This record gives sequence, structure tokens and C-alpha cells, in this order.
Amino acid sequence: NAGVMQNPRHLVRRRGQEARLRCSPMKGHSHVYWYRQLPEEGLKFMVYLQKENIIDESGMPKERFSAEFPKEGPSILRIQQVVRGDSAAYFCASSPKLAGAHEQYFGPGTRLTVT
Amino acid sequence: AQSVTQPDIHITVSEGASLELRCNYSYGATPYLFWYVQSPGQGLQLLLKYFSGDTLVQGIKGFEAEFKRSQSSFNLRKPSVHWSDAAEYFCAVGAGSSASKIIFGSGTRLSIRP
Repeated sequence: NAGVMQNPRHLVRRRGQEARLRCSPMKGHSHVYWYRQLPEEGLKFMVYLQKENIIDESGMPKERFSAEFPKEGPSILRIQQVVRGDSAAYFCASSPKLAGAHEQYFGPGTRLTVT
Repeated sequence: AQSVTQPDIHITVSEGASLELRCNYSYGATPYLFWYVQSPGQGLQLLLKYFSGDTLVQGIKGFEAEFKRSQSSFNLRKPSVHWSDAAEYFCAVGAGSSASKIIFGSGTRLSIRP
């Protein structure tokens, strides 16, 4: 059973470009969570999604950031018009249906660098 | 609001020495508590978790943690560290509906002295 997969592992974007980060949850998992880790900091919750639904987006910046988890395919975290402050590691986690934080399995992360 | 505090930013211990990493939390109800480890450039690995019951929790790689409600603490311990334990350690609490959201501390970086 493959773990949570994220791609790309490293992404470089110039200021003003768009960044798309993908997360494929573990097989059988229908809940996805996105976290951001700024340099020298801990992870901060961004958003929690089920298939085709956003459950909790209380940690998402109000502008430029969006997330989706379609019926088919991976979850996508999209950052429009990136700025240097968006440089961070973005981690995805997944859990089985109706499970809580204790069953979140983390992916290896995508490291975004904005130049 | 829920929060997690890890007061030590960086700790260095000698190989073979004992280790204790501190963690304090702020949470209204009985918390779900976790310790994760992150090696450089890697993702997170769950070391152990506490939900209820025995307040001394055993984890992987020889780690254990003790939940002390009176002190709002969940300190991580290991009796004898190995060079491979050098990493960043994060304490966390499950929050929100069904504890579906994890709130992380800022981390403690552990270095091992040969």
C-alpha cells in the first residue's frame, strides 16, 4: 500500500507565477489535509477536504490560495501570483473516512521556492 | 485557543545520554497529543500518540512520553540516544471537530554529540 504521494517534491517559481501542488492520498483514504511549514517553524494547518468538499479552510490565506479534492484524481493546492513569502514546505496528509488527527498520514512534502 | 509550546529550540546531547524534550499544551478538553519526528528534507513520522488511559505512552524507536494533566505537559523521553536520532521533533495536539486538525509546536532541533 503506497503512502501519501506528493508531487513535485521541489518546485521553483518566479514571483507572479502560479504554483500547483498535488497530493495523492493513501488508498482508501477520502480525507486530505494541507499544512504549510515556513522556514524554522512548525507546520501550520491550512485546509481540510473530503472528496468534492472543503470541510475546514480556517488556515488558508484569504487571497491567492485555493484547494480542491475532486471526485477523481489528486488534491490540488493552488497558489496564484506567488510571492517570496510563499516559499515554504507544503505537506499533505490523508486519513480514512471519519477518522481524526490520530490517523493522519503525512506525505514527504513539496518544497516551494519563489525567486 | 489551542496551542502547543516547545520551549527548547535546539538541544545537544551526547550519544548514549538520556533525552527529554519538553512540550506544554493549552486545550480546554482532554487533548489528543502527538510527537512527530522530521529528518532533514523529509516528511513527518509519528513517534507516539496519547488519547486516554495510561499516561505513559510507548512509541517507536525507543521513545516514550508522559501525559501530565496537572502540568499541561507531554514531554518526550529516551533513555539512551543514538546518532540517528538527530532530527527535528514536533509536539502536537489534535483540535477541531473530531480532532481533525493538528496544531504543531514550533519544534525542537536535536543534535547528537559523538
